[in-house]
Amino acid sequence: AQSVTQLGSHVSVSEGALVLLRCNYSSSVPPYLFWYVQYPNQGLQLLLKYTSAATLVKGINGFEAEFKKSETSFHLTKPSAHMSDAAEYFCAVSDRAAGNKLTFGGGTRVLVKP
Amino acid sequence: GEEVAQTPKHLVRGEGQKAKLYCAPIKGHSYVFWYQQVLKNEFKFLISFQNENVFDETGMPKERFSAKCLPNSPCSLEIQATKLEDSAVYFCASSQSTEYQPQHFGDGTRLSIL
Repeated sequence: AQSVTQLGSHVSVSEGALVLLRCNYSSSVPPYLFWYVQYPNQGLQLLLKYTSAATLVKGINGFEAEFKKSETSFHLTKPSAHMSDAAEYFCAVSDRAAGNKLTFGGGTRVLVKP
Repeated sequence: GEEVAQTPKHLVRGEGQKAKLYCAPIKGHSYVFWYQQVLKNEFKFLISFQNENVFDETGMPKERFSAKCLPNSPCSLEIQATKLEDSAVYFCASSQSTEYQPQHFGDGTRLSIL
């Protein structure tokens, strides 16, 4: 069975500071990994995906993530936080052996301080 | 359409009543997924379809939950004899046929059972 762990349910950063959201996964097959963002009362918006190509993946809104197989990690970063980055972020792994259903981490809420 | 469309946005039912939720996937997407989000952060996979065929229903509480995706109609998720614990936001997602294509999510239906 697959699993995703997001360390830290809440992260507070100052505007302009580095954003780092941690994600570790467990998968019996080479994983497909995703980061989604959820704004209040909205659905999930895809930030970026890893599908076994380049290990450093660039996404929308200045976010990027690095796949590290040895650490089973897929941490999300953004060099400079903006107020509009305040949202809930979810890391997910696709179950390639079972129809690609997603298993999500518990989410990390990002608060951006002015 | 270009977005996954879910209706209604909010649905209120008394305990024991029936609830029916609808989802129109993105045109050209072959796969439809339903997820239940409880407590603002926990996503649970319910069921997936490949076109009109059930692909994976391992997450469905079968005694009260049912779902369909019929040709030329929105997909639907129906809950019979609702319980208080069914209160959640139900998300629909769709994806193209290839396995590394990401799932695109609708804005969800918030179901409140009173």
